[in-house]
Amino acid sequence: EAQVTQNPRYLITVTGKKLTVTCSQNMNHEYMSWYRQDPGLGLRQIYYSMNVEVTDKGDVPEGYKVSRKEKRNFPLILESPSPNQTSLYFCASSFGGSLVDTQYFGPGTRLTVL
Amino acid sequence: GQNIDQPTEMTATEGAIVQINCTYQTSGFNGLFWYQQHAGEAPTFLSYNVLDGLEEKGRFSSFLSRSKGYSYLLLKELQMKDSASYLCAVKDSNYQLIWGAGTKLIIKP
Repeated sequence: EAQVTQNPRYLITVTGKKLTVTCSQNMNHEYMSWYRQDPGLGLRQIYYSMNVEVTDKGDVPEGYKVSRKEKRNFPLILESPSPNQTSLYFCASSFGGSLVDTQYFGPGTRLTVL
Repeated sequence: GQNIDQPTEMTATEGAIVQINCTYQTSGFNGLFWYQQHAGEAPTFLSYNVLDGLEEKGRFSSFLSRSKGYSYLLLKELQMKDSASYLCAVKDSNYQLIWGAGTKLIIKP
């Protein structure tokens, strides 16, 4: 089944404790992206990657890191989480490069930083 | 700056028709997307418009006017399962998606 998976789905952590949220897709997509979604603000892009070893900042990259060592994986790293990073996070992937470029979203990771 | 505006919330009755509007101001235009998102779930693709006019897909239709920077999503024969948020997104000149905050649609019996 074609899908984007994220782990964990739910996470409660404390300020300053490094964490990684994994994202994997099995559709051979070139483009992958991380979003955070907060009430009233909609989806905001954190980082995106056009291909392996190519990553770029989105609208709200501060406090986050990413890597794209393999085509299928795009982990999101919070080196020192803070309470303002409490949010719902989505990973998405698409073929990229074309106009009709439907994004496929993972199920989401609900993160709470105490 | 880039901006996409949608109503925050709308209410409609089961079986009726509802139109959700989206206006945009972006640096360039390479298509407009509508996504549906049920509470706590991931967004799922509904429609894509790049040329002016109406695209119909079953009970859902999407309209685009590039000169007016305007789109709408039309939902007919509303069902309770259509209760969700509807997200408008525009692909700009750099092929990056700019997202609206979404419209929460409440369906009443």
